[in-house]
Amino acid sequence: DAMVIQNPRYQVTQFGKPVTLSCSQTLNHNVMYWYQQKSSQAPKLLFHYYDKDFNNEADTPDNFQSRRPNTSFCFLDIRSPGLGDAAMYLCATSTRTGVETQYFGPGTRLLVL
Amino acid sequence: AQSVSQHNHHVILSEAASLELGCNYSYGGTVNLFWYVQYPGQHLQLLLKYFSGDPLVKGIKGFEAEFIKSKFSFNLRKPSVQWSDTAEYFCAVNAVSAGNKLTFGGGTRVLVKP
Repeated sequence: DAMVIQNPRYQVTQFGKPVTLSCSQTLNHNVMYWYQQKSSQAPKLLFHYYDKDFNNEADTPDNFQSRRPNTSFCFLDIRSPGLGDAAMYLCATSTRTGVETQYFGPGTRLLVL
Repeated sequence: AQSVSQHNHHVILSEAASLELGCNYSYGGTVNLFWYVQYPGQHLQLLLKYFSGDPLVKGIKGFEAEFIKSKFSFNLRKPSVQWSDTAEYFCAVNAVSAGNKLTFGGGTRVLVKP
């Protein structure tokens, strides 16, 4: 089945130690998104790629970076995780921005010790 | 600030009861509206969406939502819930005036008692 896959499902890292979360999709969608969802809060968009064009949200901290080496894969890099970065990280895809439905992966729960 | 508001954070009800979850947004102009559901341990899934046309939208699993433009609302309803409807429900709005990004409400946790 076509889907959005996130690995790992759970990630534990140490304060200040760089960590990378990955997302892959078999939907061949143009757009890939990364959201941060903290406990009991709404998902918050960090950035998205439209093909190779990177679009950062104005309030996304510099500590968060992303790479999209090809259509299928997108990575979220947290350069120096702090305790406040512990959250669920959701990847989503869509055929284009705007009106299109977004398809979400299962998320990666990040724990920072 | 422009936002999406869901009135109830938690709802508890019994099977066969009717469900209505409120959603209001503050964006002007053209909006596209979505309800997503997240079952325990699962990923966000689309329940239904409104882009244009009939303001009463029917989705999966017996859910429907009504877009009332004058009230800036997009409330979700189900006439008779089941235990399997236990989940968290998110309203989301995509507004041209907000740069076409999807903004989520805070979510409503629904617990259906068997």
